[in-house]
Amino acid sequence: SQQGEEDPQALSIQEGENATMNCSYKTSINNLQWYRQNSGRGLVHLILIRSNEREKHSGRLRVTLDTSKKSSSLLITASRAADTASYFCATDRNDGNNFNKFYFGSGTKLNVKP
Amino acid sequence: DAGITQSPRHKVTETGTPVTLRCHQTENHRYMYWYRQDPGHGLRLIHYSYGVKDTDKGEVSDGYSVSRSKTEDFLLTLESATSSQTSVYFCAISEYTGELFFGEGSRLTVL
Repeated sequence: SQQGEEDPQALSIQEGENATMNCSYKTSINNLQWYRQNSGRGLVHLILIRSNEREKHSGRLRVTLDTSKKSSSLLITASRAADTASYFCATDRNDGNNFNKFYFGSGTKLNVKP
Repeated sequence: DAGITQSPRHKVTETGTPVTLRCHQTENHRYMYWYRQDPGHGLRLIHYSYGVKDTDKGEVSDGYSVSRSKTEDFLLTLESATSSQTSVYFCAISEYTGELFFGEGSRLTVL
């Protein structure tokens, strides 16, 4: 079964609004990452947050991690039409046998309307 | 952009035929991965490699084999393709930082 699951599956907002996507996972992790995928393209890394971190920022992106709830959120502030893409979280498993082995969720499809 | 090349980018084949997808990197990264992406399933890990000749299974490894004889090349083989293996296949690489760099994908259709 998948390690991470994103919520919602789809999100439609107006340009300028904030977009929030959530990710839940099942087992303890070393780190959690967020990726973006434009239609027909490969995934692009956005941000990585380690299990001992609670919040991280990168430009208009803000990621939080709550290891007690096994969940993370990705906030995109002041969204732009160019942010339209699918967003995925990826986690590893902190079980000593799966170093750098990453599992993805099904993704959130974000549509930012101009 | 990370130097990752997948080939072929598109392939149509018939059920029962063997298929090999190639991933080539110029970054000298230790870890290499094969994922498949299907609607409603996101990306699922097929196999990964943590060094030359060192590979391990992922979530959906049945029907797939891999080989890594050189740091730069990671091959994914479907010994006898089935229609359920119609998918988009992505190769990825990483180093110890954990950040994955993806190729552009290989679209495989099995008729």
